[in-house]
Amino acid sequence: LAKITQPISMDSYEGQEVNITCSHNNIATNDYITWYQQFPSQGPRFIIQGYKTKVTNEVASLFIPADRKSSTLSLPRVSLSDTAVYYCLVGGDNQGGKLIFGQGTELSVKP
Amino acid sequence: DAGVIQSPRHEVTEMGQEVTLRCKPISGHDYLFWYRQTMMRGLELLIYFNNNVPIDDSGMPEDRFSAKMPNASFSTLKIQPSEPRDSAVYFCASSLTNRGNTEAFFGQGTRLTVV
Repeated sequence: LAKITQPISMDSYEGQEVNITCSHNNIATNDYITWYQQFPSQGPRFIIQGYKTKVTNEVASLFIPADRKSSTLSLPRVSLSDTAVYYCLVGGDNQGGKLIFGQGTELSVKP
Repeated sequence: DAGVIQSPRHEVTEMGQEVTLRCKPISGHDYLFWYRQTMMRGLELLIYFNNNVPIDDSGMPEDRFSAKMPNASFSTLKIQPSEPRDSAVYFCASSLTNRGNTEAFFGQGTRLTVV
C-alpha cells in the first residue's frame, strides 16, 4: 500500500483558496488518488478523484504532477461550511477494493 | 436511492451486553465495508464483504466482534460482550466495484457508548 503523508491541520479564512498537498512517494502504476471529506458527526463523502494531470468538478480541483508522487486538493474560495477533515487515499485494483484512511487534514475555516 | 442506511444512530449499553449494529447498503453495490472511528485511532477498516462473502476481516479487533451479511441488502456487526473501549462511531459503506477508481458511499454512522 502507498504510504501517505498529509498535513494534520490547516487554517484558512473565508474566501481564500485552500491547497492541501498529499505525498505518496510509492504510488503504484495503477493506483488512483481519491479525496474524501468528513464533517463532524457524518460519514466521509467522496469529493474528487484522479489518475494524472488535473481534474476539476463543482467542488474542488485535483492537481497531479507527472511523477504522481504527490497530489494537491484545491478548494476555491472556502466558506465556513468547508470546515472538515480531508482524507487523501491512494489505491488500485490490486487492493481488492480496500479503502484505507490515514489521519486526514483537519481544515478550519475562520470568518 | 436513500443511500447507505445504518441503525441505530445512537446506542448506549452497559459493559458485557451484546450490541448489534445494522446496515443497509445501496442497492446494486457489491461491496460493503465496516469501519470504526475514534479520536485515537482514526478511521479503521474492520471487515469488508464482496457479494455477501467476507473477504478481509483482518481489521476485526477481537473475537468479540463478528459481522455477517445474510443477503445483499443487509449486514450486521455484533459485539459480544461489549466493553467500554469499544465506544466509537461505527460506519458502514458500500461501493459498486473494487476498482481503484470506485467511489464509496458512507452511512451516517452509529455512535456506540459502552458504560
